[in-house]
Amino acid sequence: GQQLNQSPQSMFIQEGEDVSMNCTSSSIFNTWLWYKQDPGEGPVLLIALYKAGELTSNGRLTAQFGITRKDSFLNISASIPSDVGIYFCAGQAQAGTALIFGKGTTLSVSS
Amino acid sequence: DAGVIQSPRHEVTEMGQEVTLRCKPISGHDYLFWYRQTMMRGLELLIYFNNNVPIDDSGMPEDRFSAKMPNASFSTLKIQPSEPRDSAVYFCASTQRGRETQYFGPGTRLLVL
Repeated sequence: GQQLNQSPQSMFIQEGEDVSMNCTSSSIFNTWLWYKQDPGEGPVLLIALYKAGELTSNGRLTAQFGITRKDSFLNISASIPSDVGIYFCAGQAQAGTALIFGKGTTLSVSS
Repeated sequence: DAGVIQSPRHEVTEMGQEVTLRCKPISGHDYLFWYRQTMMRGLELLIYFNNNVPIDDSGMPEDRFSAKMPNASFSTLKIQPSEPRDSAVYFCASTQRGRETQYFGPGTRLLVL
């Protein structure tokens, strides 16, 4: 079955630093999504990408849909303490099918 | 609009007991998903429904797990009998056809002793 490899597993950074995480897939996706999960809550959508090569921003967050359609990255600029949480990538092969999730990147930010 | 609603938020039970988790999707959404999250395995899809019909249940661990969606506004995930290895956070999510952005509920934290 399809698998997503998300890296790094965890990151420990200082407030103000930039962060980058990525996901790679063994097969092609038509949609890439990035979610954030705060402790004790469900994942919340951050950014959705629908086209190969697409670069989308949401505030300090920027994500890109890889040209090969098998990868995506998420950048967070000028991190702040509330960025702490688990970030998940998710891919979808076709509309109406289930999302495949990465294992998550746990981000810790020290002030 | 209310988001996805799950109940209970926490459940502690003893091995062998029946556990029923409940989910109310966002009104108008025709897809409903059940996920399980553990430290070891991350987020795993258990089953999903479209228009109340199960489409893919290949993620359901074994016969002890069952899910139903009797109408568009309610779904249940049942574990009978429960085992300690079922301890996890169970999430429900919903979306509309053609919109890939799934909306997650707050989850049910299940502990089986």
